[in-house]
Amino acid sequence: NAGVMQNPRHLVRRRGQEARLRCSPMKGHSHVYWYRQLPEEGLKFMVYLQKENIIDESGMPKERFSAEFPKEGPSILRIQQVVRGDSAAYFCASSLAGASYNEQFFGPGTRLTVL
Amino acid sequence: AQKITQTQPGMFVQEKEAVTLDCTYDTSDQSYGLFWYKQPSSGEMIFLIYQGSYDEQNATEGRYSLNFQKARKSANLVISASQLGDSAMYFCAMREVLLDSGYALNFGKGTSLLVTP
Repeated sequence: NAGVMQNPRHLVRRRGQEARLRCSPMKGHSHVYWYRQLPEEGLKFMVYLQKENIIDESGMPKERFSAEFPKEGPSILRIQQVVRGDSAAYFCASSLAGASYNEQFFGPGTRLTVL
Repeated sequence: AQKITQTQPGMFVQEKEAVTLDCTYDTSDQSYGLFWYKQPSSGEMIFLIYQGSYDEQNATEGRYSLNFQKARKSANLVISASQLGDSAMYFCAMREVLLDSGYALNFGKGTSLLVTP
């Protein structure tokens, strides 16, 4: 049973380019979360999605960042016109649906380096 | 707003000894959950242990236990019989409830643990 998958694991972009990060949740999981980890910091929540819906994007920067979780296919975190400050590890987590506590399972992360 | 504080940037412990990693929190929620995650040098986030605010017993998972003191708002992680493979970053986190049965994890800055032979 595959865990949460993220690709690519490492991504290098030059300033001004676009970065696309992909996340495939665990089988049967309908909740997807994206977190960002800046160097020497803990993870910071960015966005919570269910299929075809953004539920909470309170942690997303207002500009250049967007996320989607289409009916078919992985969740995508898109960063347009990247800047050096976007260099970070981006983690995706997924969980089962439901009102009670369900553990978030994390992917291995994508390490973005902006040159 | 929630706040998680980990005041120990780095800790050393000798193999086979026990170590306590500190975590204090602040929240106005009556019901909340606290988590500990381990992040080895390879970078993945590994769930260790969970404590609910209404749980009367301290959580335990193998060599990990959570020393939960609600009145002091602390949720310290205790690792017994440390092993070299325990060397990693350790993050304390609190659950923040979101709409539609979701929740965000608010993480502290982490503690780097080094286990020495």
